[in-house]
Amino acid sequence: DAKTTQPTSMDCAEGRAANLPCNHSTISGNEYVYWYRQIHSQGPQYIIHGLKNNETNEMASLIITEDRKSSTLILPHATLRDTAVYYCIVRVGSYSGYALNFGKGTSLLVTP
Amino acid sequence: DTAVSQTPKYLVTQMGNDKSIKCEQNLGHDTMYWYKQDSKKFLKIMFSYNNKELIINETVPNRFSPKSPDKAHLNLHINSLELGDSAVYFCASSHGTSGNSEQFFGPGTRLTVL
Repeated sequence: DAKTTQPTSMDCAEGRAANLPCNHSTISGNEYVYWYRQIHSQGPQYIIHGLKNNETNEMASLIITEDRKSSTLILPHATLRDTAVYYCIVRVGSYSGYALNFGKGTSLLVTP
Repeated sequence: DTAVSQTPKYLVTQMGNDKSIKCEQNLGHDTMYWYKQDSKKFLKIMFSYNNKELIINETVPNRFSPKSPDKAHLNLHINSLELGDSAVYFCASSHGTSGNSEQFFGPGTRLTVL
């Protein structure tokens, strides 16, 4: 699976959009970009994933650059409950056991 | 209803003991996993089962033995516990056949070895 690079930490004011970047310059054509988050002491939670096109769901939007070498997770209106560690993970979409390789992630602090 | 449940939530035991952690999912998934999160917060895959068959076995001491009695359960048995086994263990499940599916995680079991 391709390696990802994320900032160690970020701050965001409550109500503002939180934009979390991720670099994955060695991503292969069949690798998906996944985002998970882990709120303190809880199990990781799936947020969103995509291959080429931008994706949006009720939690967030995922913007993937045209060359697919980087992506941005957008939380449109951050709340205090969005404070968590956010993990950007790339992995193949074909059957490979589907294990997720979590890196260090970005620790997002949403402030009042 | 809890999608992925683990018992116990906390486990404190002495070195050398044998313990088990249970995991159950009610999502109808066919793939289940065990992850370990150490004190530095790194989350790493340990095992993965698909339809009760082991498909991933990372470099884990053979003191750790997963057991899947059916597709809804994946238990983790640990023999001769060591101090370094102290960590939070997460169970997860997914619909494994698509290759493009999210994983659902349990709440974790915090194991402390004294």
